Amino acid sequence: QAGLTQPPSVSKGLRQTATLTCTGNSNNVGNEGAAWLQQHQGDPPKLLFYRDDNRPSGISERLSASRSGNTASLTITGLQPEDEADYYCSAWDSSLSVWVFGGGTKLTVL
Amino acid sequence: EVQLLDYGGGLVQPGGSLRLSCAASGFPFSSYAMSWVRQAPGKGLEWVASSSGSGDKRVYADSVRGRFTISRDNSKNMVYLQMNSLRAEDTAVYYCAQDWWLNWGQGTLVTVSS
Repeated sequence: QAGLTQPPSVSKGLRQTATLTCTGNSNNVGNEGAAWLQQHQGDPPKLLFYRDDNRPSGISERLSASRSGNTASLTITGLQPEDEADYYCSAWDSSLSVWVFGGGTKLTVL
Repeated sequence: EVQLLDYGGGLVQPGGSLRLSCAASGFPFSSYAMSWVRQAPGKGLEWVASSSGSGDKRVYADSVRGRFTISRDNSKNMVYLQMNSLRAEDTAVYYCAQDWWLNWGQGTLVTVSS
């Protein structure tokens, strides 16, 4: 069960913009879309977006999500120290009937 | 307010068994699929198993199929993970989570070691 592809790390400066990517295929990301999760050290994951760009209540407007074909993207503007975390994408694979996760991207705010 | 309380982890010997439980509240439980996801120390998230809202459809990761069983009791708003034939590589924090990862439990640590 191959996972989704995410860059292992991204580093950006305070108040800059970071864009994280997640690449799958037409059976997972390209089908029902992706979810984005944020995880701070020692905490459970927290949902940021689901089915591409659906935002749960309470998620900052500085975050946005989109998809182009089989690649999903998460953009965080005006980076703050609290944005430093691990970010995971996930999607349902309709061909394999499994959930898949990306390996995670560690975002460092300099 | 949605709450997921997962528990039941602990230290178990290789080849042993353990049952994890997750108590849900704050949403129409039977309307949502529920899943278990694990995270080995210092590693990323790994999906383990999911159950449909009614419980009639269950799917598993290749790494646990045949050893783990997910089940739910909609009358009690509970979801379970029965883990048999445990291996060292099953050591992880196990989270229960709502459909599309809407909400997560705080996690329960399972350690498989002699």
